[in-house]
Amino acid sequence: AAGVIQSPRHLIKEKRETATLKCYPIPRHDTVYWYQQGPGQDPQFLISFYEKMQSDKGSIPDRFSAQQFSDYHSELNMSSLELGDSALYFCASGTFRNEKLFFGSGTQLSVL
Amino acid sequence: GENVEQHPSTLSVQEGDSAVIKCTYSDSASNYFPWYKQELGKRPQLIIDIRSNVGEKKDQRIAVTLNKTAKHFSLHITETQPEDSAVYFCAATPRPSNSNSGYALNFGKGTSLLVTP
Repeated sequence: AAGVIQSPRHLIKEKRETATLKCYPIPRHDTVYWYQQGPGQDPQFLISFYEKMQSDKGSIPDRFSAQQFSDYHSELNMSSLELGDSALYFCASGTFRNEKLFFGSGTQLSVL
Repeated sequence: GENVEQHPSTLSVQEGDSAVIKCTYSDSASNYFPWYKQELGKRPQLIIDIRSNVGEKKDQRIAVTLNKTAKHFSLHITETQPEDSAVYFCAATPRPSNSNSGYALNFGKGTSLLVTP
């Protein structure tokens, strides 16, 4: 069965650079959630989208933005990267008002 | 917002023993409680979930219990095996706050389970 696809798997950036992470949800899933997981920490909710509209907002920094496109894929744009942004970034998808979320394999971002 | 607390942070058991992980939540409006298993560097994988209208749910060696009055829920793993070793996260999610809201999960801090042969 198709799963949530995230790209790239690994990304290395310098401080103050920008990064774009991509997420392709499971086919027919209309909702996308972004999470940030630091080393040894729990996943922290950043932002979510339903039908291309932002649905909920968590602890997403102002330096980050995200959107969901007409084909339901989503992109997380990160600017002015800081060392503390180094983390695993997970995307999860689901169908609206169904609580089950399915996570992608994540993007490991390292900021040097 | 929802606050989920999870205990213990680490748990070591011998193969064949049972493991219990406990979580409490603060928002009485929360109505969905999943448990995820995460191996190092990999995605969280849903292993079992329970909704607020159910008190207990079992799937082979894994069971979850929910006490709505006390606002706590627990994961029980019986006959543990070395491959059960991983970090386990509980989570809770409240009912959507508006017509466009979804189910943003609030995770506990995780329990690192080690099953020794």
